[in-house]
Amino acid sequence: DSGVTQTPKHLITATGQRVTLRCSPRSGDLSVYWYQQSLDQGLQFLIHYYNGEERAKGNILERFSAQQFPDLHSELNLSSLELGDSALYFCASSVDDEVLKHYEQYFGPGTRLTVT
Amino acid sequence: AQTVTQSQPEMSVQEAETVTLSCTYDTSESNYYLFWYKQPPSRQMILVIRQEAYKQQNATENRFSVNFQKAAKSFSLKISDSQLGDTAMYFCAFMRRLFGNEKLTFGTGTRLTIIP
Repeated sequence: DSGVTQTPKHLITATGQRVTLRCSPRSGDLSVYWYQQSLDQGLQFLIHYYNGEERAKGNILERFSAQQFPDLHSELNLSSLELGDSALYFCASSVDDEVLKHYEQYFGPGTRLTVT
Repeated sequence: AQTVTQSQPEMSVQEAETVTLSCTYDTSESNYYLFWYKQPPSRQMILVIRQEAYKQQNATENRFSVNFQKAAKSFSLKISDSQLGDTAMYFCAFMRRLFGNEKLTFGTGTRLTIIP
């Protein structure tokens, strides 16, 4: 158990709908990363939040958005869903400690999204 | 942009044998980290080992060790005394150490099967 939690584990929804995926980082970790794993694209970085602020964006669609709350949990919002959005969505957290050089990212169990 | 290449899509080895998984990467950076992640059938992403580019000594974690060749941009993973529980997808990942760019860039993975 990595200490990172994600809910829900599975999500089945229809095209055009909107869903919210939730992530709680490990205790003490300030960074939250979101990744998408699909068969055709592999593991792709979506977005990174550090202590409530957006720090970096990857290949994230405009239909997708995220935020990190004061308690450090994060939510990934996916809207106007398409069949191609079906994938496993991972959240990872890291302490990102420059002094101790602790940059390892620990992954949650993922949310499997199926768009029908 | 950084790229990570894993040229072995699949490998299999007898239980108790040693196996080496290959990974090469392309970067012009000097400050970076390399990781190996394991993804068993449960789909959980598990951190196996990490290597800092500024360290010449190869990292080891129990039965797992790496051969880091910085000049050749090569980062292979050796699994000694392989066990059935080692059956999984293995992903090599690269991280720049630059503010706002701490994302992981993954290779396409190697599917490793340990044969009883």
